[in-house]
Amino acid sequence: EAAVTQSPRSKVAVTGGKVTLSCHQTNNHDYMYWYRQDTGHGLRLIHYSYVADSTEKGDIPDGYKASRPSQENFSLILELASLSQTAVYFCASSDRGNQDTQYFGPGTRLLVL
Amino acid sequence: QQQVRQSPQSLTVWEGETAILNCSYENSAFDYFPWYQQFPGEGPALLIAIRSVSDKKEDGRFTIFFNKREKKLSLHITDSQPGDSATYFCAAMNQGGSAKLIFGEGTKLTVSS
Repeated sequence: EAAVTQSPRSKVAVTGGKVTLSCHQTNNHDYMYWYRQDTGHGLRLIHYSYVADSTEKGDIPDGYKASRPSQENFSLILELASLSQTAVYFCASSDRGNQDTQYFGPGTRLLVL
Repeated sequence: QQQVRQSPQSLTVWEGETAILNCSYENSAFDYFPWYQQFPGEGPALLIAIRSVSDKKEDGRFTIFFNKREKKLSLHITDSQPGDSATYFCAAMNQGGSAKLIFGEGTKLTVSS
C-alpha cells in the first residue's frame, strides 16, 4: 500500500542544535512537501519539491532547509533549532498528474528546549 | 495574512445532528477547495473536494456548499456520528499556479452520544 512515513515520530532537541527530520514515500509521487502544524494556525508550508535534487521555498522557510536526494526521500533540516520551532511537522506527497490530492505522513512531534 | 479562514474554531453537536463548518477565502484565483480530516495523532487525509465550477459536492453524509461570489464555502455533515469527531481543515489551491495548498486554521468537531 502506498504510504508516507516519517522519522523520528518524536524528538526532543536543544536550542542551537541541529535537527534533521526525514520523510520517505512509496507513492511514486513527484511532489513532496513539508508543513508545520501549530494550534490556531493550521498547516503552513515550509518547503516543497517538484523533483529530486531541487527544492522550493514555501510560505515560512526561514530557519529551515530542505533536501531531496531522491524521488522517495525528502528531509527537513533545522541547522540551529530554536524554541519557536517546537511544533508537529508533516510531510506529504502528491502526483504530478493529480497534484490536487496530497497524502500525508503521520507527523513528527518536535520539542525544542 | 490568513488567506483561508475557518469558523468556528470548535464545534460540538449531538449524534444524529448536522454539523456545519464554515470557510472563507480571499484570493479570487483559488479554484479548488479540498477538505481534510485529521484524527488525533495522525496526518490529515482528504475527505471531499470541490472545484469552483460547481456549487455543491456530495459524498455520502458529507456535502460542500460553495458560493463563489461571496468567496465562502461550508461543509455539512449530516447524521453526525461519534467517529466523525476530528479536526477538519479547509484548503484552497490555484490549479493554474503552483501545486500549493493553503490551509485554514481548522475546526475541531466533537460529536457527543
